[in-house]
Amino acid sequence: DAGVTQSPTHLIKTRGQQVTLRCSPKSGHDTVSWYQQALGQGPQFIFQYYEEEERQRGNFPDRFSGHQFPNYSSELNVNALWLGDSALYLCASSSVGGFDEQFFGPGTRLTVL
Amino acid sequence: AQSVTQLDSQVPVFEEAPVELRCNYSSSVSVYLFWYVQYPNQGLQLLLKYLSGSTLVKGINGFEAEFNKSQTSFHLRKPSVHISDTAEYFCAVSDSETGTASKLTFGTGTRLQVTL
Repeated sequence: DAGVTQSPTHLIKTRGQQVTLRCSPKSGHDTVSWYQQALGQGPQFIFQYYEEEERQRGNFPDRFSGHQFPNYSSELNVNALWLGDSALYLCASSSVGGFDEQFFGPGTRLTVL
Repeated sequence: AQSVTQLDSQVPVFEEAPVELRCNYSSSVSVYLFWYVQYPNQGLQLLLKYLSGSTLVKGINGFEAEFNKSQTSFHLRKPSVHISDTAEYFCAVSDSETGTASKLTFGTGTRLQVTL
């Protein structure tokens, strides 16, 4: 079992650009959550996808959007990047109705210049 | 709304000494509680979780935590730390009414620094 995988590992963008991050959940999991972890901070919940729909959303602007595919993998898109979007973006997978904890991937480090 | 407070941003400790990392939470509903560890340049790994039942929870790597509902606390302890325990530790809560897949609310983290 490969666990939760994320790509790319690192990414450098400039202000105003758009970025897409990808996540494949742990085998058997149907739910994907995205978190933003700024330097020196705890992760902040962005949103969660289940059955290809956004199930919960945190306090993030509409510039942050996502998608879930039929195979449960997910993408996080961020438009109009600004310096404050520089962070580690973590994907976590889980199973609705189960009692497993959320399993986290290694993250994508995004740097906005 | 839920919130988590980790009062200690850094905890220095000598190897083989005991350690306690403090976590307090606030919530209007029943919660599940978690401790995650993050090593440099890595994602989060679950140490232990409290869902229900016994308030003393044992996790991996010799860590344990005790849920205290009256004090809304979930402090993490280890009787004897090792150099390899040096990492960032995060306490988190989720709404138990919507299951363990519900969003996690994290504290700001505690940096555990173990030295010889």
